[in-house]
Amino acid sequence: GQQLNQSPQSMFIQEGEDVSMNCTSSSIFNTWLWYKQDPGEGPVLLIALYKAGELTSNGRLTAQFGITRKDSFLNISASIPSDVGIYFCAGRSNTGNQFYFGTGTSLTVIP
Amino acid sequence: EPEVTQTPSHQVTQMGQEVILRCVPISNHLYFYWYRQILGQKVEFLVSFYNNEISEKSEIFDDQFSVERPDGSNFTLKIRSTKLEDSAMYFCASTGPRVELFFGEGSRLTVL
Repeated sequence: GQQLNQSPQSMFIQEGEDVSMNCTSSSIFNTWLWYKQDPGEGPVLLIALYKAGELTSNGRLTAQFGITRKDSFLNISASIPSDVGIYFCAGRSNTGNQFYFGTGTSLTVIP
Repeated sequence: EPEVTQTPSHQVTQMGQEVILRCVPISNHLYFYWYRQILGQKVEFLVSFYNNEISEKSEIFDDQFSVERPDGSNFTLKIRSTKLEDSAMYFCASTGPRVELFFGEGSRLTVL
């Protein structure tokens, strides 16, 4: 299947700091989704992106659909303790309807 | 807000037993999915379902697995003869017109 690599794998930051993470794929996608997952729960959709170059915000979260269509970025500004969790990217190509998931970025916010 | 619901939340079974996991997708959604997540790992695609038939399936989705939409609301995943390595969280998901994939809370399967 498609390989989606997320980086960094984990982050430990102080409350109030900004966070950046990215996701790269080996092929072109036409939809990117970003999720947050808390332990024992299902992934919760944060942001959806539909075209190259698109920049979309959801509160303190901002995500971008990379120009090459092989990458996407998520930024969290002014982190707070409840931002703790695992963030996953997911992408879908135009050759099928399945979404491929990234390897995840584990975020720890230190109060 | 509409949501995907899954039952049971946790099932413990003996190796070799059959398991059925149930899902009620969001009502106006047309594509339905099952994903699996082994503890500490990423979310893995199993199968997608559209118009009452399988649309795509991964190499994980072998002959032990089957899906069904027995009525207008439920979407089920059956594992015919469970193995130890089937222990995982199983997530049902669905998409609507905006191609946003919404997940349920998951069913934790433990095979002993």
